[in-house]
Amino acid sequence: NAGVMQNPRHLVRRRGQEARLRCSPMKGHSHVYWYRQLPEEGLKFMVYLQKENIIDESGMPKERFSAEFPKEGPSILRIQQVVRGDSAAYFCASSPPARTFEQFFGPGTRLTVL
Amino acid sequence: AQTVTQSQPEMSVQEAETVTLSCTYDTSESDYYLFWYKQPPSRQMILVIRQEAYKQQNATENRFSVNFQKAAKSFSLKISDSQLGDAAMYFCASDNAGNMLTFGGGTRLMVKP
Repeated sequence: NAGVMQNPRHLVRRRGQEARLRCSPMKGHSHVYWYRQLPEEGLKFMVYLQKENIIDESGMPKERFSAEFPKEGPSILRIQQVVRGDSAAYFCASSPPARTFEQFFGPGTRLTVL
Repeated sequence: AQTVTQSQPEMSVQEAETVTLSCTYDTSESDYYLFWYKQPPSRQMILVIRQEAYKQQNATENRFSVNFQKAAKSFSLKISDSQLGDAAMYFCASDNAGNMLTFGGGTRLMVKP
């Protein structure tokens, strides 16, 4: 059973461009979470999604950031008009439908904004 | 809102010795889970151990064990017989509703040969 997959692993963008980060949850998992880790800091929650629904986006910046988890395909975290402060590692985690309180993490995408 | 605090930015331990990493948390929930994650240089988040708040018995996973003090809202991680491969960042985290994990700022553990 493959783990949580994220791609790309590394992404370089210039200021003003768009960044798209993809996350494929573990097989059978229907809950997806996105976290951001700034250098030398812990992970910070951004958004929690289930298939076709955003459940909790309390950690998402109000502008430029959006997330989706369509019925088919991976979850996408989209950052429009990136700025240098968006440079960070973005982690996706997934969990099964039953409430196990355990999240399985992907390897992360490191975004660098030039 | 939940908060998780790790007061030790760095810790050092001699190989084969024991080290304890501290964590305190604050939550108004009665039902919650606590976790320790390890993040090696590869940046992969690896679950080390978890504790269910309603269980009084401290969780143990091989060389890793916790000291869970619910009244004091303390959740420390003890690593016994430390190995070179234990060197990493360690993050304490809490989850009270299955909606999100709240992480502490991390402790960098160095293991001396």
